[in-house]
Amino acid sequence: GAVVSQHPSRVICKSGTSVKIECRSLDFQATTMFWYRQFPKQSLMLMATSNEGSKATYEQGVEKDKFLINHASLTLSTLTVTSAHPEDSSFYICSATRQGGQKTQYFGPGTRLLVL
Amino acid sequence: AQKVTQAQTEISVVEKEDVTLDCVYETRDTTYYLFWYKQPPSGELVFLIRRNSFDEQNEISGRYSWNFQKSTSSFNFTITASQVVDSAVYFCALSEAERDDKIIFGKGTRLHILP
Repeated sequence: GAVVSQHPSRVICKSGTSVKIECRSLDFQATTMFWYRQFPKQSLMLMATSNEGSKATYEQGVEKDKFLINHASLTLSTLTVTSAHPEDSSFYICSATRQGGQKTQYFGPGTRLLVL
Repeated sequence: AQKVTQAQTEISVVEKEDVTLDCVYETRDTTYYLFWYKQPPSGELVFLIRRNSFDEQNEISGRYSWNFQKSTSSFNFTITASQVVDSAVYFCALSEAERDDKIIFGKGTRLHILP
């Protein structure tokens, strides 16, 4: 299998605080990890692509200082929403592709962020 | 520009009926990949299929089948003998060979299977 986990699954925080979301590939080494954002009843929008040990590549319109991504190992990437505001409330989903495999993305279960 | 259109926003069918979810795509690349993902109420995206642009053979996997027609730029998904557990949002998606790590998702079709 290709299992990707995210932690936490759900988080509520106050406006102005920072929130860190973890994405782990549990049974494979991930060449690349991706972060998506999904608003209610909307499609997934790619935010950034990260490769282990290098800086993330952000999509147009995504603030890199707002959404900090760290990809410290082949099995872990983190997304930190800094100084979160209510408009950052969303469903954040990560995905990963296997090292040496086809570039099929395997998705995590998502993290629901609510900023009050 | 690349684009994926899922014209059906929401579909409801009675259990055991067959249902087809439409997907039309646009791309300038000659090499590209098409996907279908299922997103149940829990939120986790489940990979269903990946098809490259050179493989136009239709595929069947159990009750699922896919019809890839390059002539009409369509990649439709059919569920045969639908079941309540098939209720979910289904996303069609596209990536181009030039940047095959970037998946462009359609807006999704919300499928309700009624008992």
